[in-house]
Parts: sequence; C-alpha cells; structure tokens
Amino acid sequence: GQQLNQSPQSMFIQEGEDVSMNCTSSSIFNTWLWYKQDPGEGPVLLIALYKAGELTSNGRLTAQFGITRKDSFLNISASIPSDVGIYFCAGSGGTSYGKLTFGQGTILTVHP
Amino acid sequence: DAGVTQSPTHLIKTRGQQVTLRCSPKSGHDTVSWYQQALGQGPQFIFQYYEEEERQRGNFPDRFSGHQFPNYSSELNVNALLLGDSALYLCASSFLLLGGRKGNEQFFGPGTRLTVL
Repeated sequence: GQQLNQSPQSMFIQEGEDVSMNCTSSSIFNTWLWYKQDPGEGPVLLIALYKAGELTSNGRLTAQFGITRKDSFLNISASIPSDVGIYFCAGSGGTSYGKLTFGQGTILTVHP
Repeated sequence: DAGVTQSPTHLIKTRGQQVTLRCSPKSGHDTVSWYQQALGQGPQFIFQYYEEEERQRGNFPDRFSGHQFPNYSSELNVNALLLGDSALYLCASSFLLLGGRKGNEQFFGPGTRLTVL
C-alpha cells in the first residue's frame, strides 16, 4: 500500500527561526494536504495543493507540490510560540475522493 | 458555521464490548470519513460514507462498521473490542459534489478518545 515518510520526526527551534519539513511517497498523489494537530484536538487543514509544481501560501506558511507528484514540502517562516504542535502531510491518489494517507507527523517545539 | 462535531468525547470500554461513536459533519458537507489515530501515529483511514453508502474502506476488519443517515450524520460501530482498538477516533467531513480535487479537502472533528481495558 501507499506509504508516506515525513521528516524530520521532531524539531526544536527558537522563536523567529524558519522551519522546513517534507513528505515523500512511494506512489503518486493527485492532492497533497498539510494539517496541524494540537494536543487533544483533531487535525486542522492548513494548505491544500492540487497540481505538480504548485506553490501555495497561507500567511507565514508555504507549501509545494513536488514535480514528481511523490513529495511535498512545508515551510514556516518567522516561527512563533503558537506554531507548536504536530504537523501532518496527507495525500490522496487517483480520482477517489476519499482515503487520505497520512505521514507520521513532525513534532514542532518553539522556544521563546 | 458549525464545524464537525463528535460524541462522546471520551469512552472507556472493556474487551469484547461493542461501541458506537457519532459524528455530525460540517454544515453543507455530504461526505463523512472515519480515521483511527493511535498514540504517536498519523490517522489511519477506516472508511468513507456518501449518500448513505460505504464508498471506500481501509484495511480494517469487519468488526468496524458504519452508517450514514439522511441528514449526513454518521456512526462508527466497533464490535468485540480488543485492547488494540484503544485510540483517538476522528471523523472528517467533505463536500464531494464540490467536484474536482477540492472534494479531497477533509475537515476533522475533535475526535473521540476510546480506551479499551
């Protein structure tokens, strides 16, 4: 089955630093999504990507849909304490509007 | 605009029991998907319901079943509970008829934390 490898597993950064994380797949996806999950909450959709090569921003967040359709990247600029949480990538393949396959998550800690 | 709601918030059951979890989708959404999230892992797809029918199913045994009602709300049922079923169960809704790939944008509820003793 499809597998997503997300890296790094965890990051410890200082407030104000930029953050980069990525996700790779063994299979092609048609849609890439990035979510953030806080403790005790459900994942919150941050950015959705639909086209290979697409670069999309949401405030300080920027994500890219890799050209090979097997990877995606998320960057956070000028991190702030509320960026703390777990970031997940998720992909959806083919024409099935259904199953999202998630990565293992990147735990982000921001030191003030 | 009400988001996705789930009930109950927490649940404790013993092995062999049965459990029913409930989900109301975001206003305007017609599709509900269920995911299981074990501690320290990403969510795993269980199944998806649209027009009151199961459209897709992940790699979960038949002990996991579901239902969608005419008002688009949904239930997840798990029979013969095992210790390994302890997890956060997440419901996500989307709007399939939106068409195109935006139908893949799924919005999650807060989850139900199930503990099996």
